[in-house]
Amino acid sequence: QQQVKQSPQSLIVQKGGISIINCAYENTAFDYFPWYQQFPGKGPALLIAIRPDVSEKKEGRFTISFNKSAKQFSLHIMDSQPGDSATYFCAASRAYKLSFGAGTTVTVRA
Amino acid sequence: ETGVTQTPRHLVMGMTNKKSLKCEQHLGHNAMYWYKQSAKKPLELMFVYNFKEQTENNSVPSRFSPECPNSSHLFLHLHTLQPEDSALYLCASSQGQGQDQPQHFGDGTRLSIL
Repeated sequence: QQQVKQSPQSLIVQKGGISIINCAYENTAFDYFPWYQQFPGKGPALLIAIRPDVSEKKEGRFTISFNKSAKQFSLHIMDSQPGDSATYFCAASRAYKLSFGAGTTVTVRA
Repeated sequence: ETGVTQTPRHLVMGMTNKKSLKCEQHLGHNAMYWYKQSAKKPLELMFVYNFKEQTENNSVPSRFSPECPNSSHLFLHLHTLQPEDSALYLCASSQGQGQDQPQHFGDGTRLSIL
């Protein structure tokens, strides 16, 4: 049973554009929602994270929007750059147990 | 540069072989994790150790045998694997097991079963 559903599976965006990745969860016990970025040949690296009592968190060009009632959250990458080309995973956790989405491969075209 | 080092980076083995994956963390963390990453699928948590004690076995087949001799080292012993076990195996560590203790991942071992 997949606890976190992520979409789209892949997306292509022009340099300077906005990338949007959406995730949905079912388990209301989740209390921490991180996003990981993974480059080819590398392990996932924590990008940004949010708690469910916050509706939005911004770090640089990356913003998480969180809708607790809808059990959905999303990652927005503003002013997308070629260096942002990577696979992005959303996750939801309770204590140490992370449940990951299946990933979104983002390609930023110059 | 990663604080979590995994060796080997690539491993090809037959179904009857026995091999081990090694993970070492240089971050002073107390918890360590094994994950399996298959293409187009979510990362799957396999095992968790906290202060060298196993706290989670996520219904992993017995052909995978973890070992955690200390808080800095984690091994995954492999024997009699199946073709469907081919995947990227990721190790991670965290300071503790609370909400605000992010997991730091190594770059993984790419395992191919012939």
